[in-house]
Amino acid sequence: NAGVMQNPRHLVRRRGQEARLRCSPMKGHSHVYWYRQLPEEGLKFMVYLQKENIIDESGMPKERFSAEFPKEGPSILRIQQVVRGDSAAYFCASSPNQNLNEKLFFGSGTQLSVL
Amino acid sequence: DQQVKQNSPSLSVQEGRISILNCDYTNSMFDYFLWYKKYPAEGPTFLISISSIKDKNEDGRFTVFLNKSAKHLSLHIVPSQPGDSAVYFCACRGGSSNTGKLIFGQGTTLQVKP
Repeated sequence: NAGVMQNPRHLVRRRGQEARLRCSPMKGHSHVYWYRQLPEEGLKFMVYLQKENIIDESGMPKERFSAEFPKEGPSILRIQQVVRGDSAAYFCASSPNQNLNEKLFFGSGTQLSVL
Repeated sequence: DQQVKQNSPSLSVQEGRISILNCDYTNSMFDYFLWYKKYPAEGPTFLISISSIKDKNEDGRFTVFLNKSAKHLSLHIVPSQPGDSAVYFCACRGGSSNTGKLIFGQGTTLQVKP
């Protein structure tokens, strides 16, 4: 029973390039959350998606960031024209439903480094 | 606007003693509270949770206490073990958006000395 799978584990990009982070939720989970952890800080909510729908993107920066969770395939967090301040650990979490007593299961994260 | 705060960045405890990690929140609409544990280079793993209708939940060595009037929760680990050394995050859910997202504190690094 595989957990939440994120790839790549490490991603190095130069300023101005695009970064694509992938997340496959646990089997049977249709709810995906993306979080970002900057150095020395906690996890900050970015976006919540269900299959083919963005439910809550209140934590997403207004520009350069986008997320999708297509009917088939993994969820993708896309960062265009990366800047040094985007360097962080990006975590994906999934849950089977939106029950408020449901815990989130996290992947191991993608460490993005922008040179 | 930091809705969830863990005011102690770090805590050091002797093996066998009790570890107490604290968390304060400001949003009275939060109704579900969780603790996650995180090792370096890994994602957070769920530890224990509590609903707002309770004031205590226990699971083995781990107990979470909730004081709604003070908007405060704490995690007690007893006895502490060296393998408990990790970063501990409290997380809260609920509020006006109610989309199920968790709001995390900044984390407390626990070191349990042998």
